[in-house]
Amino acid sequence: QSALTQPPSASGSPGQSVTISCTGTSSDVGGYNYVSWYQQHPGKAPKLMIYEVSKRPSGVPDRFSGSKSGNTASLTVSGLQAEDEADYYCNSYAGSNNFVFGTGTKVTVL
Amino acid sequence: EVQLVESGGDLLQPGGSLRLSCAVSGFTFRSYWMHWVRQAPGKGLVWVSRINTDGSITAYADSVKGRLSISRDNTKNTLYLQMNSLRADDTAVYYCARESYHGALFDWGQGTLVAVSS
Repeated sequence: QSALTQPPSASGSPGQSVTISCTGTSSDVGGYNYVSWYQQHPGKAPKLMIYEVSKRPSGVPDRFSGSKSGNTASLTVSGLQAEDEADYYCNSYAGSNNFVFGTGTKVTVL
Repeated sequence: EVQLVESGGDLLQPGGSLRLSCAVSGFTFRSYWMHWVRQAPGKGLVWVSRINTDGSITAYADSVKGRLSISRDNTKNTLYLQMNSLRADDTAVYYCARESYHGALFDWGQGTLVAVSS
């Protein structure tokens, strides 16, 4: 149950796009279409942004999108806004009712 | 309105025990799988445990297996995490979360802090 690998940081100017990667193995990310992404602001509980690789919950702006290729999932935030500055975590099903989170990425809006 | 409220966090010594509770409202508790997730101070999210709707299926992260135990009482709309043989590296905010669809944690509590220190 090793954590999925994410870049520690990512940044972009308002209006630009940023893409965060989440790399696992064929036993988690690559083996199932059950990748989700969470946004967490300081001192707050996480918020679901993407589930089942690319689906958006009601209320999440369509600026947020997800995809997957092989053992790597990605979250793209288009049209960056100041309120998008937060920590982002991926999560994947890893079989046998187990799950694993990514190491987390701090997104900075320049 | 969906609400999840954790309680039971405390400061305790290594080797101690504690039971966390997560009281839920606003949805049919018995119909949903539930999770515990923790976050050490300044660190990332770590998945801890999952339980199915009637409590017959549970799963744990390797780091807590044999020491932490998840359970639920569907008559009280409450999720539990029994924590035994606590270690300093169990220090974290513990969140309960509701799973909708496969593994997607749609709703979260505000968290409760467990601190283990001598």
